[in-house]
Amino acid sequence: DQQVKQNSPSLSVQEGRISILNCDYTNSMFDYFLWYKKYPAEGPTFLISISSIKDKNEDGRFTVFLNKSAKHLSLHIVPSQPGDSAVYFCAAVNTGTASKLTFGTGTRLQVTL
Amino acid sequence: DTAVSQTPKYLVTQMGNDKSIKCEQNLGHDTMYWYKQDSKKFLKIMFSYNNKELIINETVPNRFSPKSPDKAHLNLHINSLELGDSAVYFCASSLGTGEINFGPGTRLTVL
Repeated sequence: DQQVKQNSPSLSVQEGRISILNCDYTNSMFDYFLWYKKYPAEGPTFLISISSIKDKNEDGRFTVFLNKSAKHLSLHIVPSQPGDSAVYFCAAVNTGTASKLTFGTGTRLQVTL
Repeated sequence: DTAVSQTPKYLVTQMGNDKSIKCEQNLGHDTMYWYKQDSKKFLKIMFSYNNKELIINETVPNRFSPKSPDKAHLNLHINSLELGDSAVYFCASSLGTGEINFGPGTRLTVL
């Protein structure tokens, strides 16, 4: 029962172009969403988050969009850089309960020169 | 000045052995977690402690026993290791809601 899904296991984008990573969720009780970035042999690191009361949050080159009616969020990286190559995990939580993050399976982003 | 640290980074052991993974956080967070990332790359929560009290215990075999001597430490002890326990185990901490900080992971290989 995968409540958070990232249907694209991998994505390849040219340097300078936009990377769009997608995430779908099924649990309507989720009210806070996060993106984590993971390099090989390291733990995931927090990238950006969005509350369900918003539909967009921007931090530098990273923007997260939330479409609650579609239960869909996306992470946009503009412009993409080689250092962005990593696995990106989407996560969701119902902040009203014990803070258990539910993660997607990740999308491996490769930014090519 | 690592925020969440865990040792060892790699652990290779035989089936049936007992092993422990240690975790410490210096962020002053009240809540600590153990997550498991299996071969299919799913990151799943195993346990969560808040101020040394167990608050989340997912469906995990009772061979896995977390121990929190104080709120800065959450160790994971595994008895009678099985092949299927091979995974990367991540310790994490948070203030209680939302963003959590992960440790670097411990890759456990059971032979």
